[in-house]
Amino acid sequence: EAGVTQSPTHLIKTRGQQATLRCSPISGHTSVYWYQQALGLGLQFLLWYDEGEERNRGNFPPRFSGRQFPNYSSELNVNALELEDSALYLCASSLEGWANQPQHFGDGTRLSIL
Amino acid sequence: AQSVSQHNHHVILSEAASLELGCNYSYGGTVNLFWYVQYPGQHLQLLLKYFSGDPLVKGIKGFEAEFIKSKFSFNLRKPSVQWSDTAEYFCVAGSNAGNMLTFGGGTRLMVKP
Repeated sequence: EAGVTQSPTHLIKTRGQQATLRCSPISGHTSVYWYQQALGLGLQFLLWYDEGEERNRGNFPPRFSGRQFPNYSSELNVNALELEDSALYLCASSLEGWANQPQHFGDGTRLSIL
Repeated sequence: AQSVSQHNHHVILSEAASLELGCNYSYGGTVNLFWYVQYPGQHLQLLLKYFSGDPLVKGIKGFEAEFIKSKFSFNLRKPSVQWSDTAEYFCVAGSNAGNMLTFGGGTRLMVKP
């Protein structure tokens, strides 16, 4: 079974630009989650999508947004990039949208802002 | 606000030593608890989980964790570590409200052969 796949592996942008990160969940998983792992801040919850809708978001500004497509894949968009957005962005997926379903993680996209 | 704290940032052990990694959580309601592991160069993997029932849960590779509600703790244990257990370990709490996971800061374990 293929795991959660994320693309690209690395992304380099400059301040003010926009970044798009992509995630394909494990087949059969309908929930997708995004996390940010910034240096010194640990893993922080960003967004949760289930059945095409945003269900919850963490404490991040509105320039962090995303969507989930009918095939359950997801995009994370970050607008007006700032230096502190440099981080590893992890995507996870789970069966349905219940908290007792373990989340399975991808390898992440490393976003670097110059 | 929910939070998870892990007591040790770095742990160094020799092979065959016993391991206990501390974890405390702060949560307002029903909490689900997990330990995830990240081996060098690999993605995060689920080690074990606790939702309800027996507070002593067993996971993969000989790991176990004990949920002590009165202490808000979920410590990870292994009787005898191996070199291959070298990894970063994350204690994680999840709530039924919003499905978000709250990660502890992680503990880097190095096992010397």
